[in-house]
This record gives sequence, structure tokens and C-alpha cells, in this order.
Amino acid sequence: NAGVTQTPKFQVLKTGQSMTLQCAQDMNHEYMSWYRQDPGMGLRLIHYSVGAGITDQGEVPNGYNVSRSTTEDFPLRLLSAAPSQTSVYFCATRGGHYEQYFGPGTRLTVT
Amino acid sequence: EDQVTQSPEALRLQEGESSSLNCSYTVSGLRGLFWYRQDPGKGPEFLFTLYSAGEEKEKERLKATLTKKESFLHITAPKPEDSATYLCAVQLGILTGGGNKLTFGTGTQLKVEL
Repeated sequence: NAGVTQTPKFQVLKTGQSMTLQCAQDMNHEYMSWYRQDPGMGLRLIHYSVGAGITDQGEVPNGYNVSRSTTEDFPLRLLSAAPSQTSVYFCATRGGHYEQYFGPGTRLTVT
Repeated sequence: EDQVTQSPEALRLQEGESSSLNCSYTVSGLRGLFWYRQDPGKGPEFLFTLYSAGEEKEKERLKATLTKKESFLHITAPKPEDSATYLCAVQLGILTGGGNKLTFGTGTQLKVEL
């Protein structure tokens, strides 16, 4: 089992460009989420989904879009990248006891 | 505002020197408190869930405990491979609106030296 996978591992964007961060899981978990991790800020929730077709906003949703068409995939779209979105992005699923399983992360730099 | 505070920010230990990391929280309606380990360049790895005051969980050299206001991660006779950042997070109960959100602390960076 691969668990939670994310692509790409690294990405550099120019301000204003758009891109999609991919997340896939083979754990058959209904709940998936996206976090960003910045120095001194801790992990902050961007968006989450409790199942296919259902998404909701987290703590810092502005500038990001999500959709959930299948149980396995939960892509995160940056609509118009800004330097403030430079961060490390983690996708996670949630198990039956509310424990979360994280992917390896995508390190994004916006210049 | 719900808050999770971890201390110290960084800790340097000699191999075999036991110590504790602290996670204090100011939330009501706690459903669960979670500990994660994060190695550089990797995603957090789940360690423990604690649900109620007085509960304890153990895994190898790690033991997590929970009171009504804080949690401790005790590290007994640490080894260099225990070096990592340890994160705690709290989940509120569904009735208090937190059923789908975790609030993370900023972590304690642990370095264990030979």
C-alpha cells in the first residue's frame, strides 16, 4: 500500500501562474484534507472533504480551490499564485479514530 | 480562541538523557489529543491519540500522558534516531464544531546527540 502520495515534490511558480497539487490515497478513507506548513506557524488547514462530492473550507482557504470527484483523489488548485503561498503543502487522510495520515509534502516556491 | 502551545521550542539531549516535551491547550470540548513525529523533509507520522485525562500511551521509548490542560511526551533513554520535530494537535468534539478540524502546535525540535 502506498498510503498517501503527493505530486510534485517540488515546484517553482511565478506570481500569477496557476497549478494543481495532486494527492491520492489507497487507504479507502472518506476524509481528506490539505494543510500548509510555514516556519513558526504550525500546520494550518486549507480545505477538507468528508467524502466524494463534499468539500469545505478550513482556516486559510483564500486563493485555493478543491474538488473531490472520487474517494481516492483530492487535488488542490492555486488559482493565481502569490509569494505568500510559498510553503510546504501536505495532504492527509483520516482514519477511524480521527488519527491523520500525511503524504510526503510538496515544497512550493512562488517568485 | 482555541490554542495549542508546545514547549520547549527546541531541546538538545545526550543519548540516554530522559526528558519530557509539553503540549498545553486552551480548548473546551476536547475530543482527542494527538502526537506526531516529523522528520526533516517528510510528512508528520502519527504516534498516539489520547482521549481523556489520566490516559497514557506507550511506544518504545515514548510515553504520552494527558491531563485536563496539557499533555506530556516523555522520552526515556533517547537515541539519536529519536531526533525529530514532535507535534501535538487537538480535535474538538463534534458538538463544539470541531469535528473535522485539527489545531496544531508549532512543535518541539528534538536533537539527541551521542
